[in-house]
Amino acid sequence: EAGVVQSPRYKIIEKKQPVAFWCNPISGHNTLYWYRQNLGQGPELLIRYENEEAVDDSQLPKDRFSAERLKGVDSTLKIQPAELGDSAVYLCASSLTGTVARTEAFFGQGTRLTVV
Amino acid sequence: DAKTTQPPSMDCAEGRAANLPCNHSTISGNEYVYWYRQIHSQGPQYIIHGLKNNETNEMASLIITEDRKSSTLILPHATLRDTAVYYCIVRASSGSARQLTFGSGTQLTVLP
Repeated sequence: EAGVVQSPRYKIIEKKQPVAFWCNPISGHNTLYWYRQNLGQGPELLIRYENEEAVDDSQLPKDRFSAERLKGVDSTLKIQPAELGDSAVYLCASSLTGTVARTEAFFGQGTRLTVV
Repeated sequence: DAKTTQPPSMDCAEGRAANLPCNHSTISGNEYVYWYRQIHSQGPQYIIHGLKNNETNEMASLIITEDRKSSTLILPHATLRDTAVYYCIVRASSGSARQLTFGSGTQLTVLP
């Protein structure tokens, strides 16, 4: 079974340009997370979806970041316009929703964004 | 704010047991202890989780103290491939607090 798939793996853009990341979660997982990880730090949650509903987006910088999860499956995260400080690894994860015993999150490889 | 405290780094000899400590003195009754690890340039990988009983799986063992204020992740026979950052996380069983909140973790280096 395929794991969480993210693309692209790497992206280099100039500041003020837009960028988008794509995530395909594990089949059947209705919870999807986007995290940002700065160098040397742990991942920080940006947004969490339950099916197509964003249930926690308190850490998403809404002036430039947006996310969507159409039909409750794939998701995209967009930054427009990008700033130098957005350089980081963007991680997508998915999990089942239900009892804790079955809700461990599985992470993708991440997209490394470099803004120059 | 992270709810856990971990040493920033540890070394372990290959083939020996690696014991990674974690303090979570403010853990509440409905919060589980989760461990993830992140190998360089990869996404975090789930290892194990528990509530109050000790747990063991094919990757590791989790020992939780009786008062649940601390825990230890044990890798019984560390290999070079176990070199990674290990994150200890407390997570509620339900509701909006079910997200994973990562701290800075422990960089475990397994030495040949």
